[in-house]
Amino acid sequence: GEDVEQSLFLSVREGDSSVINCTYTDSSSTYLYWYKQEPGAGLQLLTYIFSNMDMKQDQRLTVLLNKKDKHLSLRIADTQTGDSAIYFCAESNMGRRALTFGSGTRLQVQP
Amino acid sequence: KAGVTQTPRYLIKTRGQQVTLSCSPISGHRSVSWYQQTPGQGLQFLFEYFSETQRNKGNFPGRFSGRQFSNSRSEMNVSTLELGDSALYLCASSPSDRGETQYFGPGTRLLVL
Repeated sequence: GEDVEQSLFLSVREGDSSVINCTYTDSSSTYLYWYKQEPGAGLQLLTYIFSNMDMKQDQRLTVLLNKKDKHLSLRIADTQTGDSAIYFCAESNMGRRALTFGSGTRLQVQP
Repeated sequence: KAGVTQTPRYLIKTRGQQVTLSCSPISGHRSVSWYQQTPGQGLQFLFEYFSETQRNKGNFPGRFSGRQFSNSRSEMNVSTLELGDSALYLCASSPSDRGETQYFGPGTRLLVL
């Protein structure tokens, strides 16, 4: 079945770049997503990338996709304390529609 | 546009009771999905509705059910509650009938005592 894996924790200093990594197993994945969850809140869609792309940039966020290795990363430039949250990687395909999530990476930004 | 809204936000029930959670999607969105989030199992897909039809169902027992109304609002029901049903229940809506780019609500936190 589908599986998505992420590292559990990342700590960075304010102003540095953060890179959160994710691997997935389903070769038919069509869409790959990054969601952010702050304490007590729902999931905020940060960005997504189609599987036929290898990079997408959106302000401070850069998503890189290596389809051959099934590896997705999210780079946050100039990380701020407000970026502290749990970041979830997710994937889906056109047939399945349901999102399969990783376990989330807790990003801690130190002032 | 207003985002996805879920009611109630918090709920306390006892074992054996049943519960109904409500979700209003973003205006114009016809696809609604439900997910359960727990510390142990993470985020798991429950079911997905489009135009009042359940199109996809996750691996949950029959105690979990849902429906969608003609205005795209959705409800999910859990009968005979168990302690393990304590979770954050998240609803998501999508503008596309393919269900990609799902936008989530704030969730309903259910505690079963």
